[in-house]
Amino acid sequence: EVQLVESGGGVVRPGGSLRLSCVASGFTFGDYGLTWVRQAPGKGLEWVSAINWNANSQGYADSVRGRFTISRDNIRNTLYLQMNSLRAEDTAFYYCARVFHELFNYWGQGMLVTVSS
Amino acid sequence: QSALTQPRSVSGSPGQSVTISCTGTRSDVGAYNFVSWYQQHPGKAPKLMIFDVNRRPTGVPDRFSGSKSGNTASLIISGLQADDEADYYCCSYADRYTWVFGGGTKVSVL
Repeated sequence: EVQLVESGGGVVRPGGSLRLSCVASGFTFGDYGLTWVRQAPGKGLEWVSAINWNANSQGYADSVRGRFTISRDNIRNTLYLQMNSLRAEDTAFYYCARVFHELFNYWGQGMLVTVSS
Repeated sequence: QSALTQPRSVSGSPGQSVTISCTGTRSDVGAYNFVSWYQQHPGKAPKLMIFDVNRRPTGVPDRFSGSKSGNTASLIISGLQADDEADYYCCSYADRYTWVFGGGTKVSVL
């Protein structure tokens, strides 16, 4: 069974940093791209960042480019999102998902990141 | 990277059909046949319902279908059922390993 479990969320002050993790199981991690999608409370989905199977291709939304960095560890089956210079508008539930041929076919349950003073 | 445009809400009675539009640009929806649709019930993670414009994953009822014309994609839900009441999001690949979502549409079953 494919599982994606996010961790690392919590409360952080504006300007602060946080690193999210997503541990995967149930599939060959190194064969797939992965992505982060977020959802502000009561709002819609927003694509944040993605990384391909060998980390040679990475994409970012304009809203996070230069502040967030996506990475992966194919030994530990873990996806990361390093978030720096956090703003109030980064407050959201963050989901990791598996990428397969330009679609997201498995999702984690999401975790909340709150940026507040 | 502007969000794709979806209607905020659509509604229908049980058994009826509803159509959700998703309008993008020549750089995303119009450029690729990589439009997918996701269903999200309150408090739950999104679920893939349609991919590659009009293909259904295993287990998704054939009441759900998709199409595309130019820069606009559509999700059609026929034979509306109570459990179809949810938020629906379109998503398009947009080149160089980036994607863009629509703003979401709330489907209400009257």
